[in-house]
Amino acid sequence: SQQGEEDPQALSIQEGENATMNCSYKTSINNLQWYRQNSGRGLVHLILIRSNEREKHSGRLRVTLDTSKKSSSLLITASRAADTASYFCATMNTGFQKLVFGTGTRLLVSP
Amino acid sequence: DTEVTQTPKHLVMGMTNKKSLKCEQHMGHRAMYWYKQKAKKPPELMFVYSYEKLSINESVPSRFSPECPNSSLLNLHLHALQPEDSALYLCASSQDRVPQETQYFGPGTRLLVL
Repeated sequence: SQQGEEDPQALSIQEGENATMNCSYKTSINNLQWYRQNSGRGLVHLILIRSNEREKHSGRLRVTLDTSKKSSSLLITASRAADTASYFCATMNTGFQKLVFGTGTRLLVSP
Repeated sequence: DTEVTQTPKHLVMGMTNKKSLKCEQHMGHRAMYWYKQKAKKPPELMFVYSYEKLSINESVPSRFSPECPNSSLLNLHLHALQPEDSALYLCASSQDRVPQETQYFGPGTRLLVL
């Protein structure tokens, strides 16, 4: 399977704390994307990082990519209850032209 | 308008029924996708349409039949489904099928097959 692995599977934190999620993948990629999904609804695109980039920021989000280790991390700073959701990494593999999603991290932010 | 709409939101069907899921976008996107998502699992790609032509079929059983009547609409026709086909079906679209494109997802149709 090309599917990536994410850890932790579940993460529970308090509002104001930072949340870090990790993603590992198996094949060469063109880019890696992070999506958020609220309780079984549609996915919302958060950020895209290209294979030649190492770090990217968007608001309270920081994404890193290490292609030598085939891994990425998503950091959400100063978390809010509204950040409670499942977070998926998704890789766009070179040659396949399709997104392959990781297993996901369920984040719970308590007030 | 950056919205992908899907109807119905919920669908319950028997194994002998025929039903259709509908997806619509008015962003001028030329690529549209169907994904299947089981509970607590990631979405899995089923079909990709590019410029109204089927370009990827991920070995999906023939009881699922996609259709792209025009550049804004994507249907998924369902016939003789099995209980294990119960899942959230997500539609997505992107400007084009190039690697850097973001996919925009609809809210999904939650399907229960009895």
